[in-house]
Amino acid sequence: GAGVSQSPSNKVTEKGKDVELRCDPISGHTALYWYRQSLGQGLEFLIYFQGNSAPDKSGLPSDRFSAERTGGSVSTLTIQRTQQEDSAVYLCASSSRGRNTGELFFGEGSRLTVL
Amino acid sequence: DAKTTQPPSMDCAEGRAANLPCNHSTISGNEYVYWYRQIHSQGPQYIIHGLKNNETNEMASLIITEDRKSSTLILPHATLRDTAVYYCIVRVESYGQNFVFGPGTRLSVLP
Repeated sequence: GAGVSQSPSNKVTEKGKDVELRCDPISGHTALYWYRQSLGQGLEFLIYFQGNSAPDKSGLPSDRFSAERTGGSVSTLTIQRTQQEDSAVYLCASSSRGRNTGELFFGEGSRLTVL
Repeated sequence: DAKTTQPPSMDCAEGRAANLPCNHSTISGNEYVYWYRQIHSQGPQYIIHGLKNNETNEMASLIITEDRKSSTLILPHATLRDTAVYYCIVRVESYGQNFVFGPGTRLSVLP
């Protein structure tokens, strides 16, 4: 696709339920990042994938959070047993190996509301 | 931890130049200065980046001091659509290196 695509755009769930958020990066981009942004706050790094290397999971806030990237393309962020403090916009970004590796392309985000 | 310091907010009159400062006194020799902005309810957008020379593109100019301990992003003719949070980030330009976003500067362009 032309840009980074995330789905769902909005998700409302009940506390304790599991949720999956999906990210389709720009075709050919081999680096993929997940961030989250709580209301009125800055971006919080969660995880990134770089090609076939082991992902950097250092930003995941708890073991309820996990992410995978299949086939080096689509990524899924899974939150188990959701809590109200997980409510945030979850942003995905991708970048390419090339001259400007610092240009991240962000999706529009998935807004998660945990009731 | 963010390696940059920015004012939390700034105002600018429409049509005037907006000059957004950033301090990065602990920047390393191989770290670049990146600027992103986030317009309300959208994902962040890349603006510009540089190492030590001043840079200009269609969106903005980046002025980096000779000692590289600070920089200024310049929007030459600010419009209402430039109202956003502007993030200054220092990072090694290495493929796959993480970006650490600080709280940024909330720029309000006033009519």
